Amino acid sequence: GESVGLHLPTLSVQEGDNSIINCAYSNSASDYFIWYKQESGKGPQFIIDIRSNMDKRQGQRVTVLLNKTVKHLSLQIAATQPGDSAVYFCAEKEAEGGYNKLIFGAGTRLAVHP
Amino acid sequence: SAVISQKPSRDICQRGTSLTIQCQVDSQVTMMFWYRQQPGQSLTLIATANQGSEATYESGFVIDKFPISRPNLTFSTLTVSNMSPEDSSIYLCSALVIWTGELFFGEGSRLTVL
Repeated sequence: GESVGLHLPTLSVQEGDNSIINCAYSNSASDYFIWYKQESGKGPQFIIDIRSNMDKRQGQRVTVLLNKTVKHLSLQIAATQPGDSAVYFCAEKEAEGGYNKLIFGAGTRLAVHP
Repeated sequence: SAVISQKPSRDICQRGTSLTIQCQVDSQVTMMFWYRQQPGQSLTLIATANQGSEATYESGFVIDKFPISRPNLTFSTLTVSNMSPEDSSIYLCSALVIWTGELFFGEGSRLTVL
């Protein structure tokens, strides 16, 4: 596959453990945030989103936490599985000149070991 | 959900040539975007593709190098002009689906410039 995540920070976890992936965003005016998962050779896939009027949102095995005070976002994955191995990106929605656009963070590669 | 088809999925091109990437969405969408993902890095927004008018480019990207068309709501093209090895990258089309507000991505077009 392609070298997605080759130079990104890596989080290594054991199968079954919980994973926490962190992200710092830049724009205090951003009001919507999304986590994406990107497997090698594929485009990013939506995982979970959160609006700025919330500080926590839960999905299936995933939880996103938002701390607007320090502009920090985290993705928690419960009972991590080998299929969770991928690169994870946070993205923030910025509104500029009447246009909405998604700006992506640097990304973290999650490596799940049996 | 939406299915976004990009072609070509990959290509090897000679320096100085141009390549046009096509993006077709199977759902009604509002906004379409083009991103670049260089090896091992995150996604960088190139431009917002506007239907029937000139695209809105991000800082560092210009129309002469990356001309974009969007003749209708569900189709867009990105041309990488006068290519150099530095243009070797994955180019991703994305679209904002009307009904869900989710941003979906194509699988990407992997360009190698020799």
